[in-house]
Amino acid sequence: EVQLVESGGGLVQPGRSLRLTCTASGFTFVDSTMSWFRQAPGKGLEWIGFIRSKASGGTTGYAASVKDRFIISRDDSKSIAYLQMNSLETEDTAVYYCVRDRPLDYWGQGTLVTVSS
Amino acid sequence: QTVVTQEPSLTVSPGGTVTLTCASSTGAVTSGYYPNWFQQKPGQAPRALIYSTSNKHSWTPARFSGSLLGGKAALTLSGVQPEDEAEYYCLLYYGGEWVFGGGTKLTVL
Repeated sequence: EVQLVESGGGLVQPGRSLRLTCTASGFTFVDSTMSWFRQAPGKGLEWIGFIRSKASGGTTGYAASVKDRFIISRDDSKSIAYLQMNSLETEDTAVYYCVRDRPLDYWGQGTLVTVSS
Repeated sequence: QTVVTQEPSLTVSPGGTVTLTCASSTGAVTSGYYPNWFQQKPGQAPRALIYSTSNKHSWTPARFSGSLLGGKAALTLSGVQPEDEAEYYCLLYYGGEWVFGGGTKLTVL
């Protein structure tokens, strides 16, 4: 059974950093592209970025709204994808989801990040 | 800035058929935008329904189908069930980035 479990969310002050973790199981993580999405309270969905498998170059791509602030990485030995979020803004308050990509199919349950002073 | 547009809300009767559409501000939606459709119910994570225009996931009910219609991506529900009441989001690929539509709230009444 494919499972994606996000963790690391919580309350953080503006300007600070936070790292989210997505722990995967039930599929060959090393071969998979992983993506991150978010959803602000009461709002729609937003794509944040992706990281390809190392076999596909391990390259990353980001939405303009988070580029240069957020970094996606992976540890294939642990089947984990990370979302490092720096210089957080109140507008980054959202539930963050990791998703298996190519195609986009399985979603985690999400982790809430609240950016507030 | 690219904008993806969906109907804000639609209402359908149980057993009826409804089509949700997804338009791009850049022009006609083609298969090259790899349209995806997701269903989201309150308090739940989104669930993937359709990828690459018309491909279903193993869990996608047969009553859901995806297509291209009049320059837009479309999601058609045939024989709507009460449990289909939800928010539906389309997602389009723009060469390196994905952009969501604003979502369609589907009411089954």
